[in-house]
Amino acid sequence: DIQMTQSPSSLSASVGDRVTITCQASQDISDYLNWYQQKPGKAPKLLIYDASNLVTGVPSRFSGSGSGTHFTFTISSLQPEDIATYYCQQYDQLPRGFTFGPGTKVDIK
Amino acid sequence: EGQLVESGGGLVQPGRSLRLSCVGSGFIFGDYAMHWVRQPPGKGPEWVSAITWNGDSVAYADAVQGRFTISRDDAKNSFYLQMHSLRVEDTALYYCATHQQTSGGFDLWGQGTWVTVSS
Repeated sequence: DIQMTQSPSSLSASVGDRVTITCQASQDISDYLNWYQQKPGKAPKLLIYDASNLVTGVPSRFSGSGSGTHFTFTISSLQPEDIATYYCQQYDQLPRGFTFGPGTKVDIK
Repeated sequence: EGQLVESGGGLVQPGRSLRLSCVGSGFIFGDYAMHWVRQPPGKGPEWVSAITWNGDSVAYADAVQGRFTISRDDAKNSFYLQMHSLRVEDTALYYCATHQQTSGGFDLWGQGTWVTVSS
């Protein structure tokens, strides 16, 4: 099974700061990597799909990059409404499965 | 705009069974693979199971393989998760989800239904 790791597990940054989260896969997953934002009491919200594609309607301060085993998620200018936990998620064709990373909690300093 | 609504959660004793349902609306249900994703209290999401658009292929996480069964009934715009031999560690908020605009990113989620396994 493919394992996903994320770093850091939490971070605190100021409004306007650039924030970067990394996600690593235990084997090559090409660009089959998505990023989600989750706020308390809500279902995860898809922000980035296939490593670098921004979902329609998601602010352009969010971006993603990478391929193979190493991926990066960036918030170019942190806003108060970005306080949330962010998860990466890899996917594969069924019957192989999907795996979420452990998450990165983002707070305002 | 599509919508997914889960039902069937509740409090159940270890070793017992429970069946979750998810009804879709606002989209052509039979065109899409459907998934169950769970989230234990205070933890991250965990993919549980999936069924292809035509029901030809199913998949399960190792943690539920052999205990859970996924199925779908497109005539009812519904799919299901039959859970047997429930364990305390199965306690979680269970979401149904699908990927409509992407190959594997879940862009439509339900609101979730709680399953609590406790004696």
